[in-house]
Amino acid sequence: SYELTQPPSVSLSPGQTARITCSGDALSNQYAYWYQQKPGQAPVLMIYKDSERPSGIPERFSGSSSGTTVTLTISGVQAEDEADYYCQSADISGPSWVFGGGTKLTVL
Amino acid sequence: QITLKESGPTLVKPTQTLTLTCTFSGFSLTTSGVGVGWIRQPPGKALEWLALIYWDDDKRYSSSLKSRLTITKDTSKTQVVLTMTNMDPVDTATYYCAHVEMATVTSIFFDYWGQGSLVTVSS
Repeated sequence: SYELTQPPSVSLSPGQTARITCSGDALSNQYAYWYQQKPGQAPVLMIYKDSERPSGIPERFSGSSSGTTVTLTISGVQAEDEADYYCQSADISGPSWVFGGGTKLTVL
Repeated sequence: QITLKESGPTLVKPTQTLTLTCTFSGFSLTTSGVGVGWIRQPPGKALEWLALIYWDDDKRYSSSLKSRLTITKDTSKTQVVLTMTNMDPVDTATYYCAHVEMATVTSIFFDYWGQGSLVTVSS
């Protein structure tokens, strides 16, 4: 079955730039989406169609794509950004939709 | 504004059938390009997509759970119902419904989520 691979965790200090990657064979021709989930809360869409930001999402959140890897970048990370981040994309063989395993962002 | 809310039992016994209802407002499930999906999350684990129903009643299921899932919509009641048969303790999870937006024919995303409903499977 199709999988999206994310690093389990990323840790950094406030003000640094966080880069969370997501790899998958089909990402070169399928859009990726990013969600933020804080403890006890539902996920929130942060990035859609690789790099578009929904209204209300801070500008420090951005997305990019290169080949079979997509990246969520948080510029000038803040304590409030500490959360789990999930990528999501399509498995066109289904079609069906998959989430990555999630990355826990810790702001030290 | 778009809102969704899941409802259903908090506890089911092994082998029973789970029925979850998603009641939504702020959009119509008759609008082209719109859908409602179900996603679950076992405690401490990742999100898992389960099923999706489109405005035109097209339905998609996770291949690993397809034999156990049924998704239906009641447009007049603005509800989507998910049933999962033969529940097992490994199905213990928070179940979310979400508004689906189509970017392309194969690319969809979940832009509004319900609060989630924790379902525990135990005898």
